[in-house]
Amino acid sequence: DGGITQSPKYLFRKEGQNVTLSCEQNLNHDAMYWYRQDPGQGLRLIYYSQIVNDFQKGDIAEGYSVSREKKESFPLTVTSAQKNPTAFYLCASSVNSGGSPDTQYFGPGTRLTVL
Amino acid sequence: GENVEQHPSTLSVQEGDSAVIKCTYSDSASNYFPWYKQELGKGPQLIIDIRSNVGEKKDQRIAVTLNKTAKHFSLHITETQPEDSAVYFCAASFTGGGNKLTFGTGTQLKVEL
Repeated sequence: DGGITQSPKYLFRKEGQNVTLSCEQNLNHDAMYWYRQDPGQGLRLIYYSQIVNDFQKGDIAEGYSVSREKKESFPLTVTSAQKNPTAFYLCASSVNSGGSPDTQYFGPGTRLTVL
Repeated sequence: GENVEQHPSTLSVQEGDSAVIKCTYSDSASNYFPWYKQELGKGPQLIIDIRSNVGEKKDQRIAVTLNKTAKHFSLHITETQPEDSAVYFCAASFTGGGNKLTFGTGTQLKVEL
């Protein structure tokens, strides 16, 4: 957990509604990431951002959107276009050394349930 | 893209025994291999990592070995304790890949008294 906070811890949403998950870090990291975790599966990358005002799609970006207006914040919006949004969402951050891969540190997660 | 396979999916050991979890990767360009421990309802915590310029790394009861030729790496936990019970994930990444991690599907480790 460390310097990465995610809120809320639990989130319930009705079908057809958009919802935004918060991720904040005070580690002064340049890079931030969003992963989705389903039961019995590994983590899958949704979006990532290596620097403010820039972000890239990960492996499962459809139905999600992000913004990176501040270095310390990387909110994720789950839109109504995401067909199966119920999952555990994890945010991570790392320095961006521009060289070898950097260690990613994870937040505590948000569990989203669509009713 | 990279594919990481992890075995076994569940592992049960007696307290004090050793536990070994194995992962294989497909992309020979991968050069960074972290291991994470995840407790129920929490985010993953990094426990150890290894880069491709070394073959083994140890931190107290935890060690990781890497075989670049065979493209596999393993986590070794010695003298297991009940608090080691958790889900463990391996992952792989490579330089120039945007620091993206590809994860294995996890191993549920249970340490029995």
